[in-house]
Amino acid sequence: GDSVTQTEGLVTVTEGLPVMLNCTYQTAYSDVAFFWYVQYLNEAPKLLLRSSTDNKRTEHQGFHATLHKSSSSFHLQKSSVQLSDSALYYCALSDPSNNRIFFGDGTQLVVKP
Amino acid sequence: DPKIIQKPKYLVAVTGSEKILICEQYLGHNAMYWYRQSAKKPLEFMFSYSYQKLMDNQTASSRFQPQSSKKNHLDLQITALKPDDSATYFCASSPPGQNSDYTFGSGTRLLVI
Repeated sequence: GDSVTQTEGLVTVTEGLPVMLNCTYQTAYSDVAFFWYVQYLNEAPKLLLRSSTDNKRTEHQGFHATLHKSSSSFHLQKSSVQLSDSALYYCALSDPSNNRIFFGDGTQLVVKP
Repeated sequence: DPKIIQKPKYLVAVTGSEKILICEQYLGHNAMYWYRQSAKKPLEFMFSYSYQKLMDNQTASSRFQPQSSKKNHLDLQITALKPDDSATYFCASSPPGQNSDYTFGSGTRLLVI
């Protein structure tokens, strides 16, 4: 079945430094969409970016991710984090057979001054 | 204006009681979902509906029953409440089409005492 793995439960980064949140996946489908959702404290998860094209960089709000089907990865990166980036980040994929989105366990990003 | 309305925002219930969580979306989407988020399991899929029909059910317990009285409504009835049901319940919706992303409501925080 489909699954998404986020190995880091908590990532702490100093403001202004780069960050990478890891995401790997397993799926039997080839026509799959991949997402990063961000959830700020006491708010709903909201879409940060999405991709379904292999080796194409997708950017939004300073974050970027590139789908690499060869390594089954969709890592999220930012070159210089801000305090306001502190949030819970979910990697996810969409099962094309039923449009169900599978979420990883999430990575809590804490940006410290 | 919020596009997905969930009511109530907070809910305290007594063990053994029954509650209904309300969800209405004004995005014109045909598919609606329920997810649960707790400390034990982040963003756990529960149900998906498309055109008011149940498409997928990953909830083991029959105590959880979705109800769709209108195209843009998907309520969640929970009977015989247990303390373990304490969680934030998110409603989401998506437009037609494969691999559509979800828009989430702000959630209902349920505490069962």
